[in-house]
Amino acid sequence: DAGVIQSPRHEVTEMGQEVTLRCKPISGHDYLFWYRQTMMRGLELLIYFNNNVPIDDSGMPEDRFSAKMPNASFSTLKIQPSEPRDSAVYFCASSLFRGAGGYTFGSGTRLTVV
Amino acid sequence: GIQVEQSPPDLILQEGANSTLRCNFSDSVNNLQWFHQNPWGQLINLFYIPSGTKQNGRLSATTVATERYSLLYISSSQTTDSGVYFCAVSGNTGKLIFGQGTTLQVKP
Repeated sequence: DAGVIQSPRHEVTEMGQEVTLRCKPISGHDYLFWYRQTMMRGLELLIYFNNNVPIDDSGMPEDRFSAKMPNASFSTLKIQPSEPRDSAVYFCASSLFRGAGGYTFGSGTRLTVV
Repeated sequence: GIQVEQSPPDLILQEGANSTLRCNFSDSVNNLQWFHQNPWGQLINLFYIPSGTKQNGRLSATTVATERYSLLYISSSQTTDSGVYFCAVSGNTGKLIFGQGTTLQVKP
């Protein structure tokens, strides 16, 4: 398996623009997670899905952030409009039921909003 | 929710030295993992260890679930071991919660 695949690896955008981050989880994994990493707040869980259904989005910072999982092999995290404080590394991860066997992380997307 | 505390927050070692990193968690967990974040920012899974002891080369880990802690032991450290080490746990919800990490610097 190729692991969890995220795209793009780097994104630089201007304030106010829409940003879409993409994730392909490991085939067969039931859970998908989106995390954000910043120096100030460390690794924060934004939202997670089970069988394509959002289970907990309490970590989503505000309405500008949205996430979807239209099928078992694809998820998006969208920021509209983007702001400089959204600059961070965004990770996607997937796992089997309740994390059995561990969680696998993608390489992350480094987002810079100028 | 589950709280995860790692210690020490920072560690500086001379190459060849041994070290022990600690992870305490506040509630029973189903899963515990140790990750190494390398200088390129990638999160590398070191151990999936909800209980017991595992070894992989110079690294080993022990989790005592009943006492709610885990230890990561690095022996004969090398400069390539530098980076941030994270402990992460999950309970029945499946949410993986991270500690704040231990930043390790190994000097030649």
